[in-house]
Amino acid sequence: DTGVSQDPRHKITKRGQNVTFRCDPISEHNRLYWYRQTLGQGPEFLTYFQNEAQLEKSRLLSDRFSAERPKGSFSTLEIQRTEQGDSAMYLCASSLRASGGVWPEQFFGPGTRLTVL
Amino acid sequence: AQRVTQPEKLLSVFKGAPVELKCNYSYSGSPELFWYVQYSRQRLQLLLRHISRESIKGFTADLNKGETSFHLKKPFAQEEDSAMYYCALSGRVAYSGGGADGLTFGKGTHLIIQP
Repeated sequence: DTGVSQDPRHKITKRGQNVTFRCDPISEHNRLYWYRQTLGQGPEFLTYFQNEAQLEKSRLLSDRFSAERPKGSFSTLEIQRTEQGDSAMYLCASSLRASGGVWPEQFFGPGTRLTVL
Repeated sequence: AQRVTQPEKLLSVFKGAPVELKCNYSYSGSPELFWYVQYSRQRLQLLLRHISRESIKGFTADLNKGETSFHLKKPFAQEEDSAMYYCALSGRVAYSGGGADGLTFGKGTHLIIQP
């Protein structure tokens, strides 16, 4: 296990097309997070899962975005009818569950860079 | 709403000089603060967290609740410290639909150590 992996690493698409990204977390991690990072900004939280349950979604996650983690292992993030404003780096992170009031370290993947033409 | 502010987009210092990367936050509760680092062509990784109170690669950061700051410091910069540094905060945020456990990041500071 070499850490969190994401596929593809780069995606170029035309406006209006649908795209899907995959994230494979560290195997024993039950939490999985999606972030988006645009140029000159820090990562922005989109959503997270604990096992297969999607527990939180930020207001950044419009109706065109959907995320799944069907078996509590890998996750997919789909963007429908892409817009140029969706161009960004999409980061996935995983962690163990918080315990004892201590926030678990999030381990990040390399990201998927999306370019919408 | 919680917010993390890193006022410097770019910080350039000479090797051997002290480094201080500034981070200020706003949060109504008791946050947990982190510094993440991204070296060239590498993924984002945790550098240190305030509850650990440890020094990593010579860096330290002290949480000052009165000033709502979590500045990152190193007494003598090394060339390998050149990277993007992000300050981040965890806490429950009231998004539409409930709270969230994601991290809130600042915009980052690009640290360049000149030889």
